[in-house]
Amino acid sequence: DGGITQSPKYLFRKEGQNVTLSCEQNLNHDAMYWYRQDPGQGLRLIYYSQIVNDFQKGDIAEGYSVSREKKESFPLTVTSAQKNPTAFYLCASRGQVGNGEKLFFGSGTQLSVL
Amino acid sequence: AQRVTQPEKLLSVFKGAPVELKCNYSYSGSPELFWYVQYSRQRLQLLLRHISRESIKGFTADLNKGETSFHLKKPFAQEEDSAMYYCALGGSQGNLIFGKGTKLSVKP
Repeated sequence: DGGITQSPKYLFRKEGQNVTLSCEQNLNHDAMYWYRQDPGQGLRLIYYSQIVNDFQKGDIAEGYSVSREKKESFPLTVTSAQKNPTAFYLCASRGQVGNGEKLFFGSGTQLSVL
Repeated sequence: AQRVTQPEKLLSVFKGAPVELKCNYSYSGSPELFWYVQYSRQRLQLLLRHISRESIKGFTADLNKGETSFHLKKPFAQEEDSAMYYCALGGSQGNLIFGKGTKLSVKP
């Protein structure tokens, strides 16, 4: 599952601050995903993108924003509107939607509020 | 609505005992279904998917459309199977959602 890189590994946010989590893949994948992982909550989908310059909201998009200007990059911004941002964030990609294509996961970013 | 339910937060069995991790889904179309596993301090990785009907590490899962289930089974659990297991459902809109996960603990 190499080929998808998240940075930084740890990130701290001050009150009222926006922070951006990086996700880069060199797998030539069309689809990319952002999940939030909280204890006992599993993985919840924040945003996903099936193709460059297009993205859709997931189940918990409020307080987050994304962009998909390049195929290999799908950064996630946690805005000040997200009142409970402390969580583990996972980025994933797959070659295409459908056909049982598996997800490749990054190693995650732990975001904490100061 | 698209939904995945894993009813057990924790499943504890003894080594050599059979294991069944339950997954039920709600989806009106033709689903993509997966099981992912997360071992301690490792990345999430695919265990198996319904379209390939494969057996990985002794695990199998059969899609039952009538019961909308995709339960994960293994006849004889091993200690190294201890991990978090997530069932995932893909829809036609490209989203892929996960259940809350089941922690499997295999005791010696």
